[in-house]
Amino acid sequence: SQQGEEDPQALSIQEGENATMNCSYKTSINNLQWYRQNSGRGLVHLILIRSNEREKHSGRLRVTLDTSKKSSSLLITASRAADTASYFCATDAQGAQKLVFGQGTRLTINP
Amino acid sequence: SAVISQKPSRDICQRGTSLTIQCQVDSQVTMMFWYRQQPGQSLTLIATANQGSEATYESGFVIDKFPISRPNLTFSTLTVSNMSPEDSSIYLCSVEGLNTDTQYFGPGTRLTVL
Repeated sequence: SQQGEEDPQALSIQEGENATMNCSYKTSINNLQWYRQNSGRGLVHLILIRSNEREKHSGRLRVTLDTSKKSSSLLITASRAADTASYFCATDAQGAQKLVFGQGTRLTINP
Repeated sequence: SAVISQKPSRDICQRGTSLTIQCQVDSQVTMMFWYRQQPGQSLTLIATANQGSEATYESGFVIDKFPISRPNLTFSTLTVSNMSPEDSSIYLCSVEGLNTDTQYFGPGTRLTVL
């Protein structure tokens, strides 16, 4: 399988704390994208990082990419109850537009 | 970003029947993608649909089971044929944004097969 792996599979933290999720993949990529999914609904695009980028920020989100290790991390700072969701990374292998998804991290923010 | 709608949003079907899911985009796109998300699992690509040509299916998915139509640049349908309880999943369509590598997803269709 070309699917990546995410860890942890589940993460539970207190509101206000930072949450870090990791993603590993297997093939060379053009870019890596992070998505959020609330309660089995559609996916919301969070951020895209290209293979020639090492770090990207968007609001409370910080994404890093290490192509030598084929890994990425998503940091959510100052977490809120509304951040409770599943988070997925997805990669597109070079030369292909289709996405390969990681297994996801289920994040729970406790008030 | 692209705005994508799907119909129906959810359905409960009897085994042996078929369901057609519609995906509508608010702009013209070259490629549309159909994904399946089984309960508690991640997303798996079913097929890629280009307008004017047959869909390209991923390993493990066949046209007889998941026929796809792509009549124009803003619309596609996925049919789940001869359903069994194992087909109970969320089915999502997605498109690539204009001049961007970002993929945008529809709200999904939650299918339950009894």
